[in-house]
Parts: sequence; structure tokens; C-alpha cells
Amino acid sequence: QVQLQESGPGLVKPSETLSLTCAVSGGSFSSSDYFWGWIRQPPGKGLEWIGSIYYSGSTYYNPSLTSRVTLSVDTSKNQFSLKLKSVTATDTAVYYCASRPSSGYEFKYWGQGSLVIVSS
Amino acid sequence: DIQLTQSPSFLSASVGDRVTITCRASQGISSFLAWYQQQPGKAPKLLIYAASTLQGGVPARFSGSGSGTEFTLTISSLQPEDFATYYCQQLNSYPRMYAFGQGTKLEIK
Repeated sequence: QVQLQESGPGLVKPSETLSLTCAVSGGSFSSSDYFWGWIRQPPGKGLEWIGSIYYSGSTYYNPSLTSRVTLSVDTSKNQFSLKLKSVTATDTAVYYCASRPSSGYEFKYWGQGSLVIVSS
Repeated sequence: DIQLTQSPSFLSASVGDRVTITCRASQGISSFLAWYQQQPGKAPKLLIYAASTLQGGVPARFSGSGSGTEFTLTISSLQPEDFATYYCQQLNSYPRMYAFGQGTKLEIK
């Protein structure tokens, strides 16, 4: 059973970079079994996929965010990270890390979520 | 891009009722559709994938069907713990990205 846990600052100033990390346990992070990803949810709104990354480092991003997003993996620490630059108040959201099996497309495992507020 | 539209956006029902939520895709997506349940303040939980396959541990009162552009999630007999928001989700082939429906909030009547 894969377990995911987000960590990072809960408050980010406008125009700065939002950085979150997702620690993975209970599974082989470096295996080809899973893709890892980030999904966010603004307060009271729906879900928006941000991007996904494979253990090898290959990535794909939501076209609406691709100019500001970078995902990376650290296989030595069993974790992957999100950086979103030039944030504004509209980036305020609960950020979830999640995983999907390589053979599927559904997000089977989710972290508990990390609320990030963009405010000065 | 493929868009997913759920209907209704809000649904009021009673314990024991049978309810159906529909997810329509702007173009055919075969059976690449998943359904999630989200309780307030919690992460989404996978209920169904491949349009009709029940995720392990999910009660059998949940079922999914459909293919192409129209999909449904049915709860055969609502239980108190089923009152939540439901989302459909698919993987778009090109550009390669995931999309979610806007959600259906199921409330107690």
C-alpha cells in the first residue's frame, strides 16, 4: 500500500515560488509501477491536475500551467517535488500529491493534501 | 482538449434512494474514465476505474457504466456516508493531460 505525504510552506508571497515535496512510502518509488503527480483544489472549487512525473524524470504538465511548473524526483529520498513560480492569489489551493499505476490512468493513492495560501 | 461535463452539479436525495450521476465527454474516450468520492476536508478516494471496475474495498452499491462519450455512476441505495462530492476523470491522449469533471455535490434531502 503506497502512502503519500505532502510537506512545505503553508504561506507564500505573491510573485514568489511555491515549493512542495511528497514523501512516498510503502512502495518501490524507483520502480516502473507508478507515475507520480500533483493535483490542486482551490477553496470550494473542483480538482485541477498540475503535472505528472515518472521515476526516470520524464514529465508532462497541464498546458495552462506548463510555463510556471517544474516537477522533479529524488529517488535516493523516495520523494518528488513541485515548484510553481510567480504565484498569485489564484494559486491558493489545497495541493495533493497522488500516484497512478503505470498500466492505468486513475489516481489510486492520494496524500492528505497541503493547503497553500498566497498572500503578502 | 477533451472536456468532461457532469450532471447534475447538485443532487438532493434521501437515505435508501438510488441515484445516478452522468459524465459526458466532449469526444470519445473509450472506457478511460474514473470516478472519485470526496468528503469535506479529505482527499478524493478512487471508487471506479476503466468506467466500470470497482476499486478494492468500495461497497458494491456503487457501480459505473458507459463508454465513448457518456458515462454514469450509480449508487443503488444511498447510505449516510455517501453524501459527498463526486468527480469523474479521464486521461486525454493529446495533449497528454488529465481532466476532471466539475463535480456533483450529493446532499441529504
